Amino acid sequence: DAKTTQPTSMDCAEGRAANLPCNHSTISGNEYVYWYRQIHSQGPQYIIHGLKNNETNEMASLIITEDRKSSTLILPHATLRDTAVYYCIVRETNTGNQFYFGTGTSLTVIP
Amino acid sequence: DSGVTQTPKHLITATGQRVTLRCSPRSGDLSVYWYQQSLDQGLQFLIQYYNGEERAKGNILERFSAQQFPDLHSELNLSSLELGDSALYFCASSVGIGGFQETQYFGPGTRLLVL
Repeated sequence: DAKTTQPTSMDCAEGRAANLPCNHSTISGNEYVYWYRQIHSQGPQYIIHGLKNNETNEMASLIITEDRKSSTLILPHATLRDTAVYYCIVRETNTGNQFYFGTGTSLTVIP
Repeated sequence: DSGVTQTPKHLITATGQRVTLRCSPRSGDLSVYWYQQSLDQGLQFLIQYYNGEERAKGNILERFSAQQFPDLHSELNLSSLELGDSALYFCASSVGIGGFQETQYFGPGTRLLVL
């Protein structure tokens, strides 16, 4: 699997957009970018995924650069309930179907 | 609620003992995955089953084993437990064998404490 690099922690003011970056410079053409989050010790929650085009759903937007070497997860209006660890995962099914979770970004939304 | 259920929520046992963790996947999902999350290791993939057959293996110890039954629920068996096995154990499921776009949905986890 391609390695991902994320900042260890970030803060965001409540109501503002949270922009979480991820570098995946060794990504290959068939690898999707997935984002999950984990609130406290709950099960990881799926947020969004994409291949090359920008994606948006009810939770977030995913912006992938044209060279696909990095991406940004955007939470448009962060709330206190968005405080969590956010994982950027690049997975290649040729090596099995497991997700390789790194250390993620601990996002704290500040009132 | 992801639709994946896990029992029990909490388990406290002693070293040397054996425990069984249970997972029911989302309705219609054929694959089940097991992950371990300990404080110093993060989330680690253990094993995947697809429609009753082992599909992929990760960092699973020989003391651990799993199976998936005809009704697609899965059990993770942990034996000869050690203090270091204390962790959160998550089950995830996905609809198929694991295609490029296949999302995994995680259960709430079982917290195991070995004393």
